Amino acid sequence: EIVLTQSPGTLSLSPGERATLSCRASQSVSSNYLAWYQQKPGQAPRLLIYGASSRATGIPDRFSGSGSGTDFTLTISRLEPEDFAVYYCQQYGSSPHSFGQGTKLEIK
Amino acid sequence: QVQLVESGGGVVQPGGSLRLSCAASGFTFSNYGMHWVRQAPGKGLEWVAFIRYDGSNKYYADSVKGRFTISRDNSKNTLYLQMNSLRAEDTAMYYCAKVVGGTTHYFDYWGQGTLVTVSS
Repeated sequence: EIVLTQSPGTLSLSPGERATLSCRASQSVSSNYLAWYQQKPGQAPRLLIYGASSRATGIPDRFSGSGSGTDFTLTISRLEPEDFAVYYCQQYGSSPHSFGQGTKLEIK
Repeated sequence: QVQLVESGGGVVQPGGSLRLSCAASGFTFSNYGMHWVRQAPGKGLEWVAFIRYDGSNKYYADSVKGRFTISRDNSKNTLYLQMNSLRAEDTAMYYCAKVVGGTTHYFDYWGQGTLVTVSS
């Protein structure tokens, strides 16, 4: 089973700043099958990134994903007020299709 | 537009059973694999189970294997999760989620969830 560890647990930033979120896998993620989701309180998760670096439909280009193997990064270039939420990575290269524990992005 | 609507959650005693449903619309349900994902109160996401588009392949998280059964009725555009021998740690919001397509296992649409509480 692949364990995903996200860091930091909480990230405090201001609108307009750059956010860098990390997701580290306990073993290599097959074919870089790594997705990122955003979740706001009381809502279901929303797909942001798949295949480590491809933006999902309708996702603004301030969101970008990078990485391969065991180290992946989600970057939000300039934070908008609506970006403050919890972010999860998920690997879908092998079962169980595990999620990271999440990074909470909060307003500083 | 794609819609996934879960139902069947509620309060159940430890050792009890529940069956969750997920009604799908807005896409050809029989063409897509489906998953259940859960989230305990205040916690992160946990993948639970997967079923192939035709029901021919299923797999489960170790935490629910042998207790939960995923199934689908493509004639009714509905996904199910039969949950038996429920434990306090199964308390969570349960989401159904649609795969993007093919053999991928990431999710482009999620339902709004149904809450399961296991408590005496």
